[in-house]
Amino acid sequence: ELKVEQNPLFLSMQEGKNYTIYCNYSTTSDRLYWYRQDPGKSLESLFVLLSNGAVKQEGRLMASLDTKARLSTLHITAAVHDLSATYFCAESYGGSQGNLIFGKGTKLSVKP
Amino acid sequence: GAVVSQHPSRVICKSGTSVKIECRSLDFQATTMFWYRQFPKQSLMLMATSNEGSKATYEQGVEKDKFLINHASLTLSTLTVTSAHPEDSSFYICSARDPGTGWDYGYTFGSGTRLTVV
Repeated sequence: ELKVEQNPLFLSMQEGKNYTIYCNYSTTSDRLYWYRQDPGKSLESLFVLLSNGAVKQEGRLMASLDTKARLSTLHITAAVHDLSATYFCAESYGGSQGNLIFGKGTKLSVKP
Repeated sequence: GAVVSQHPSRVICKSGTSVKIECRSLDFQATTMFWYRQFPKQSLMLMATSNEGSKATYEQGVEKDKFLINHASLTLSTLTVTSAHPEDSSFYICSARDPGTGWDYGYTFGSGTRLTVV
């Protein structure tokens, strides 16, 4: 069964703290995506990870991919309130025009 | 980057009526588009894959007669919710990938349509 498992599903953080969201996936497509969704809005692309050991950083967010472990992580450094949102990881399946399989999402709340 | 335009952003309709949602790729040709549905506080679930010039591929459990998909051109896919009922109320999002770009560019999502059936 194709599955993308994300944890935690809910994360309440204090500003300034660090934390990591984990994403385990089941297939061998090894193309992993991270998206952000604000309430009532669509998805905003954060990172595309295409190869083992890939690491990408944007501001306080850093994503990595371990294809051997079928694990991707999204690390948050020194969280700020503006990072409060729901974060989804997704894996592509089915070749060049394949669809995405999403994790359940992690709702992040950053409190002062 | 690739842009996908989705309209309307919000629609309220009466039970029993039909609603059409449009998804356009603005700066690229999309032979394939994807339609997702998202219930409140839940993840995105793929409903169907829309293929230009051919029939859509529906996911298991999605009624093809209820959710009509048409992909008549390389830049437009439409989802029509027929005889809508309150349980069809949801957030519908389309997505596409520009095949002319590398995988680094990933998938682009439309802005979503909030459907409320009363």
